[in-house]
Amino acid sequence: EAGVTQFPSHSVIEKGQTVTLRCDPISGHDNLYWYRRVMGKEIKFLLHFVKESKQDESGMPNNRFLAERTGGTYSTLKVQPAELEDSGVYFCASSHSAHSYNEQFFGPGTRLTVL
Amino acid sequence: QKEVEQNSGPLSVPEGAIASLNCTYSDRVSQSFFWYRQYSGKSPELIMSIYSNGDKEDGRFTAQLNKASQYVSLLIRDSQPSDSATYLCAVWDSGGYQKVTFGTGTKLQVIP
Repeated sequence: EAGVTQFPSHSVIEKGQTVTLRCDPISGHDNLYWYRRVMGKEIKFLLHFVKESKQDESGMPNNRFLAERTGGTYSTLKVQPAELEDSGVYFCASSHSAHSYNEQFFGPGTRLTVL
Repeated sequence: QKEVEQNSGPLSVPEGAIASLNCTYSDRVSQSFFWYRQYSGKSPELIMSIYSNGDKEDGRFTAQLNKASQYVSLLIRDSQPSDSATYLCAVWDSGGYQKVTFGTGTKLQVIP
């Protein structure tokens, strides 16, 4: 069974540009999460999809970030325009259900560098 | 105050020793607790979950939970060099939102 995949693995862009990150969850997992780790800080929750619906987007930093999950399969996270403080590693995770005992499987992450 | 606190380390232990990793959390109503292992440049991998007070053992790993003290720990017996990684403590937010809150992680180094 394929795990969670993310694309690209690395992205280097200039301040003001737009970047779109993609996450493909494990097949059949309705729950998809985005997290971000800024250097030296903890992994922080960004948002949670249940199928195509945003269940919780309380962690999204500001309106420069837009996440979508059309059709309830893969998800994209767009940053427009990117700022220096957006640099970090963006992780995606998926789980079969949203219950607390259900393991979230993490993807390898996308390392974003904004210059 | 941080929601989930861990000593960043590094924690260095000799091969074969017991490594003890600690974590405290601030939300008294938290119900579920997880330990993730993350190798450098890799994704976090769940190694233990614990929901009730007491100890839970799985192979060389033992998770300990004390809800009254808001404390959760991970013991690794017979530590191996391959255990060298960053260990992330995570707490399930049992409030209105279903999300996991992570600590900053403790870097463990097992010295051969």
